[in-house]
Amino acid sequence: AQSVTQPDIHITVSEGASLELRCNYSYGATPYLFWYVQSPGQGLQLLLKYFSGDTLVQGIKGFEAEFKRSQSSFNLRKPSVHWSDAAEYFCAVGARYGNKLVFGAGTILRVKS
Amino acid sequence: GAVVSQHPSWVICKSGTSVKIECRSLDFQATTMFWYRQFPKQSLMLMATSNEGSKATYEQGVEKDKFLINHASLTLSTLTVTSAHPEDSSFYICSARDQAGGLNSDEQFFGPGTRLTVL
Repeated sequence: AQSVTQPDIHITVSEGASLELRCNYSYGATPYLFWYVQSPGQGLQLLLKYFSGDTLVQGIKGFEAEFKRSQSSFNLRKPSVHWSDAAEYFCAVGARYGNKLVFGAGTILRVKS
Repeated sequence: GAVVSQHPSWVICKSGTSVKIECRSLDFQATTMFWYRQFPKQSLMLMATSNEGSKATYEQGVEKDKFLINHASLTLSTLTVTSAHPEDSSFYICSARDQAGGLNSDEQFFGPGTRLTVL
């Protein structure tokens, strides 16, 4: 079955500290992986995506993610968090040419000053 | 580019009434649009896939007679919640695939969502 696990429901980091949000997936085919951010009451904004090639992908707002096939993981990182990064982050997996995205439960990021 | 809008952004209605939510791709054509439902503090659950000019494909457990989807043009899909009840209260989000991206475009562009509250 296709599934995405985000083990951390909430994470709190200090402004300026580094961040890593975990994502593990279970997928029967070659996965296409996404990270989205959602601010309160807003839709989803794509941070980055991985289809193939270099397993370290760069996204917007200084985020990056690394695809590790052996660990079925696609963790999101940022070296220095800003207060404006406080939001909910969703990892998602889909199939190439496919339509369906399966989302993780989300991780709420809180940034303390 | 690749902007998706939803209207209304929020709606409050009485139990038993029907509510229509519009999803528009503003600067691209979308053969396929998707409707998601998000409960408070939960993830997005795909409700249905909407293809222009054909019937929508509903996910298991989603009542197609309850949630009517119409995708009459390449830029507009509508979701009508019929005979709404309080348990239908939720955040409804649509997304669209950019047709011009071809088969290599796997990205969905999301609308800002519609908050439905049924009293």
